[in-house]
Amino acid sequence: NAGVTQTPKFQVLKTGQSMTLQCAQDMNHEYMSWYRQDPGMGLRLIHYSVGAGITDQGEVPNGYNVSRSTTEDFPLRLLSAAPSQTSVYFCASRNRDRSTDTQYFGPGTRLTVL
Amino acid sequence: GQSLEQPSEVTAVEGAIVQINCTYQTSGFYGLSWYQQHDGGAPTFLSYNALDGLEETGRFSSFLSRSDSYGYLLLQELQMKDSASYFCAVSTGATNKLIFGTGTLLAVQP
Repeated sequence: NAGVTQTPKFQVLKTGQSMTLQCAQDMNHEYMSWYRQDPGMGLRLIHYSVGAGITDQGEVPNGYNVSRSTTEDFPLRLLSAAPSQTSVYFCASRNRDRSTDTQYFGPGTRLTVL
Repeated sequence: GQSLEQPSEVTAVEGAIVQINCTYQTSGFYGLSWYQQHDGGAPTFLSYNALDGLEETGRFSSFLSRSDSYGYLLLQELQMKDSASYFCAVSTGATNKLIFGTGTLLAVQP
């Protein structure tokens, strides 16, 4: 199993550009999430999904869109990049087993917006 | 909304025991998790408590008191490689989303 994969690893954008961060998992997990991590701010939930076709907002959703057409993929779209979106982005997945509730993270995408 | 509080930094010496506390406020609470993150890496799962009490996994233990909205992570026989950030997280809400605290930076000194 590859686990959770993310592309790209690094990205530099100019203000106003759009892009999509890719995320895929091969563990057949129902839940997938996107977090951003800024120094001293911990991991903040952007959007999450509880299954194909079902998404919801997290703590900091503004400026980001998501969709979930398959169980495996959960892309994150930045519609018009802003310097405030400079951050490290982590995708994660977990199954619905509430007895263990283990979440697996991808390696992260380091995004800089100039 | 949800909020989690944990200390920002903890320092301990090799071989010692350290406890990292976490208090939370949330509705629809399902459980408390702990994650470890080394500098530049991705978070990795350490433990999960859905019920009150202590869960032990090797040198790490985690405790939960649902009535006090409180938990802790206990690290024993500290090693230099335990220097990392540790995050508590709550599973919450109708859709069981996972919300993280701001993290505790543990520095293990020789």
